[in-house]
Amino acid sequence: EVVLTQSPGTLSLSPGERATLTCRASPSVYSTYLAWYQQKPGQAPRLLIYDAATRANGIPDRFSGSGSGTDFTLTITWLEPEDFAVYYCQQYGTSPYTFGQGTKLEIK
Amino acid sequence: QVHLVQSGAEVKQPGSSVKVSCKASGGTFSSISWVRQAPGQGLEWMGAITPIFAVTHYAPNFQGRLTVTADKYTNTAYMQLSILTSGDTAVYYCARDAYCSSSSCYQYFDSWGQGTLVTVSS
Repeated sequence: EVVLTQSPGTLSLSPGERATLTCRASPSVYSTYLAWYQQKPGQAPRLLIYDAATRANGIPDRFSGSGSGTDFTLTITWLEPEDFAVYYCQQYGTSPYTFGQGTKLEIK
Repeated sequence: QVHLVQSGAEVKQPGSSVKVSCKASGGTFSSISWVRQAPGQGLEWMGAITPIFAVTHYAPNFQGRLTVTADKYTNTAYMQLSILTSGDTAVYYCARDAYCSSSSCYQYFDSWGQGTLVTVSS
């Protein structure tokens, strides 16, 4: 099983700042089969990024993903108030398709 | 855009089974996964069904307890989990696998149901 470890657990930032979230895999993710999701309280997750770096339909370009192998990053270049949420990475290269434990992005 | 609508909340006794439905509207699905989230916890992929390839597969944690089926005529998928314990208390989501090639589907998810809360309690 591929274990995904996200850091930090909680990130406290202000609107307008840049957020960098990381996801480390052990063992490595097959190809670049890694996705990022945003989840707000009481809602289902929303797909942001797939194939490590491709934005999903309708996702603003302030969201970007990068990485391969064992280290992946989600960057939000300019935080808007609606971006404060929990973010999950997920690998879909090797079954079972696992998620990280999440990073909570909170308003400072 | 496919819209997934799930059945309502359930309360079950330990040792019993639960069956949750997920109906697609506005399109069809090639493949559906089930993902659960325990209260205050993260996401856990449970299994998937790909009707176009007549394939199901399950996470090892659920093998033997989980059955995922689909009715292509009604565009509805079902998740049945048996031998429930309090540890199965969670919100259960169906989610559409976002991309299928000519030979396989990729389990990342671009549409999600609203979630179904299953509470296991005596």
